[in-house]
Formats: sequence, C-alpha cells, structure tokens
Amino acid sequence: GDSVTQMEGPVTLSEEAFLTINCTYTATGYPSLFWYVQYPGEGLQLLLKATKADDKGSNKGFEATYRKETTSFHLEKGSVQVSDSAVYFCALSKNSGYSTLTFGKGTMLLVSP
Amino acid sequence: DVKVTQSSRYLVKRTGEKVFLECVQDMDHENMFWYRQDPGLGLRLIYFSYDVKMKEKGDIPEGYSVSREKKERFSLILESASTNQTSMYLCASSLPGQGAYEQYFGPGTRLTVT
Repeated sequence: GDSVTQMEGPVTLSEEAFLTINCTYTATGYPSLFWYVQYPGEGLQLLLKATKADDKGSNKGFEATYRKETTSFHLEKGSVQVSDSAVYFCALSKNSGYSTLTFGKGTMLLVSP
Repeated sequence: DVKVTQSSRYLVKRTGEKVFLECVQDMDHENMFWYRQDPGLGLRLIYFSYDVKMKEKGDIPEGYSVSREKKERFSLILESASTNQTSMYLCASSLPGQGAYEQYFGPGTRLTVT
C-alpha cells in the first residue's frame, strides 16, 4: 500500500539556520504531495503542495520539490524563526478515488532564539 | 474564512461509555474525514464520508462508527469507549474529486478514557 516516510525528530535548530526535513513516499501512479504544519494546540493546516513531477510548492519561505525519480518531497527553508516551531507532516493523495491522505508520522521542529 | 469546528477541545469519559464527537464545516464540502493522532504514529484515518449518509472505512475503523445525516455535520461514535481509544481526534473536510484538494482541519478533540 501507499506509505510516507519522514525523518524522525525532534529537529533542533537555532534561529536563522537552514532547515531540511526529509520525506520519501511509496505509491503507485502519480500522487499529489503535501506538507501540513501543526502549531501547538491547533489542528493541521496546509503549508504547501505539488501535484506533478518537478513541481515546486512554496509558502511562507518554505519550499519542496516533487522528485519522481527519487520519490521524495523534502521540505526546506533558508532561515527558520522561533515561530516556525511546530510539527510538520508530509502526506500524499492518490489522484483517483476519494482523495484520502496518507500521512507520515510527523517531525517536530524546535527553533531556539 | 473557512471553518471546521469540533464540539469539544477536551473530553474525559469512562470505560464502556458511548461517546459522540461532533464535527461541523461551513464550506459546503462533500468530503469529511475523521483521524486519530497518536505520538509516533502520526495521523491515521478512521472513517470518511463522501456524501450525506455515505461512509467508507479508513485504516483503523474497529471500535468506531460514524453518522452523516446532514452535509455539514459528521459525527464519530465510540460505541463502548476503551482506554486504548484515548487519543487526539481530528476532523477534516475537502471538496470532492481527485488528488490535489486541500483538507481543512478542525482544532481537534483530546479524548481521555479512564
């Protein structure tokens, strides 16, 4: 079946450091790929998405590129802020059926001043 | 502004009780979903619904049922709560169709079964 694997956390960084959170997936066909973020005490919200190979999703300084050849969708940000501290989830959705999401286990990011 | 609301942020119930978790969305979305979130396991899909009175099992439906009598409301029911159902429950909704539609999440209900 479909699956998403992301790096375990917590990832601990100082403010203004470069961030990479790795995400790889297993799926047949051509899924859409997502990054969701969960701030403390809140539900998940969409951070960015990509729907086909070589697409780059971007939002709030975060970027991720859909790499079909490596089945990856790594999240990057050039300079993190304390306010970026949250849990980040990588997910995929098959482009057929009911568009259910398959999530990775989440990666906690902690940014210190 | 799109909104998904859940009836309670925190809930404490006793083993064996029947528990209702309610979710309401105001975006006229056809699809609605219930997940549970546990540390180290991420989000797992319990049930989803693609239309009024229609439902499909997700990955972990055992011990749960759902009800969707109106388009905007999707209820998760624990027929006889057990301690292993202590978890964070998240509701979400989305437009119908395939693939790229964003799911909008509620704030979650943290359920403790004692």
